[in-house]
Amino acid sequence: AQSVTQLGSHVSVSEGALVLLRCNYSSSVPPYLFWYVQYPNQGLQLLLKYTSAATLVKGINGFEAEFKKSETSFHLTKPSAHMSDAAEYFCAATKAAGNKLTFGGGTRVLVKP
Amino acid sequence: GAVVSQHPSRVICKSGTSVKIECRSLDFQATTMFWYRQFPKQSLMLMATSNEGSKATYEQGVEKDKFLINHASLTLSTLTVTSAHPEDSSFYICSARDRGIGETQYFGPGTRLLVL
Repeated sequence: AQSVTQLGSHVSVSEGALVLLRCNYSSSVPPYLFWYVQYPNQGLQLLLKYTSAATLVKGINGFEAEFKKSETSFHLTKPSAHMSDAAEYFCAATKAAGNKLTFGGGTRVLVKP
Repeated sequence: GAVVSQHPSRVICKSGTSVKIECRSLDFQATTMFWYRQFPKQSLMLMATSNEGSKATYEQGVEKDKFLINHASLTLSTLTVTSAHPEDSSFYICSARDRGIGETQYFGPGTRLLVL
């Protein structure tokens, strides 16, 4: 069965510092990969997705992620954290279009002034 | 584009009553919608997959008679929590897949259910 692992349930960064959120997947077949952000008491908003095109994917709000097949990873980064980036971030994967998503456990980001 | 709405955003009900939650895709047609449940500070747990015009597929451990799902049109799916009990209190989130862009799920804003 496919699984998604997010290393670190909580990440604390200073405003202006690099944000790095780690995501690893287990799959023999490169899946479709997604990063979503969830603000308190809200649904999930799509940040970016990998669908077997370019390995470096740029998303909204200055985030980007790089797909590395050799490392089975899809880490999310943002060069400079903003206070508004404080939220919960979920990595997710699906083997094929239309299939159900497998979510990681989530990483809560705290941004310190 | 790709907006999904949920109604109501929050609901409080008495134990034993039934609650219906609507999920609508506003600007696209969704052949498939998904229903998730999220406990505080936890990830999303898929409850069921809803396909337009057919019976929903429930995940293991989810009672289909407890959580009734109807997907009567390409833009609307409903989740009815029947005979709700306090342990059903949770955050319920739906998502929809645009049949024109198959791999991405777009999520609704969620419904907070509190059963007293």
